[in-house]
Amino acid sequence: GQNIDQPTEMTATEGAIVQINCTYQTSGFNGLFWYQQHAGEAPTFLSYNVLDGLEEKGRFSSFLSRSKGYSYLLLKELQMKDSASYLCAVLAPSGNTPLVFGKGTRLSVIA
Amino acid sequence: GAGVSQSPRYKVTKRGQDVALRCDPISGHVSLYWYRQALGQGPEFLTYFNYEAQQDKSGLPNDRFSAERPEGSISTLTIQRTEQRDSAMYRCASSLVGSQGAGNTEAFFGQGTRLTVV
Repeated sequence: GQNIDQPTEMTATEGAIVQINCTYQTSGFNGLFWYQQHAGEAPTFLSYNVLDGLEEKGRFSSFLSRSKGYSYLLLKELQMKDSASYLCAVLAPSGNTPLVFGKGTRLSVIA
Repeated sequence: GAGVSQSPRYKVTKRGQDVALRCDPISGHVSLYWYRQALGQGPEFLTYFNYEAQQDKSGLPNDRFSAERPEGSISTLTIQRTEQRDSAMYRCASSLVGSQGAGNTEAFFGQGTRLTVV
């Protein structure tokens, strides 16, 4: 079975740092994605982790611990345009249901 | 094509009618996914193809839902005898390789078809 958990909503202040957590229990693991989705738009790719550790890409970083079934997305120097939903998705190996998404975390950035 | 294209963008249909939703993936992409997304929720997996082969249809809600990808490119999701509970955003995504590929297998999403059953 597949189970992916993330907080439903978060609020943070412009210029601050926010960490969005994701825990998963899945049948097999071939990597974890983070996607950003603005209201009314399609999800867009942010990051991919398959090995333990931190991947940094500009203001956004993503961390993975496979032994703990845990990932987080770190957003630095928050901007108003970062207000969006952030989706955690697990890629399963062949023979399992692939690319299963969590329910998403709606982030509101306030002034 | 340059991106994943879905048509129609909006579809309003009467209860009991059949609808066909089309997805044209990025050229050369092997894997194609169908999802359904309710407002404020993450995409819910429906079905998945590698080339023309339907690999997994475990997410299809019932036998009114079916999908095909006969030539390994364009895919159609068909809903027969639509019901009001079928109203949702239906999204298609494609990736260069499927879950059996190594490395980055990022999925690219289309803009979706908003289905309303009245």
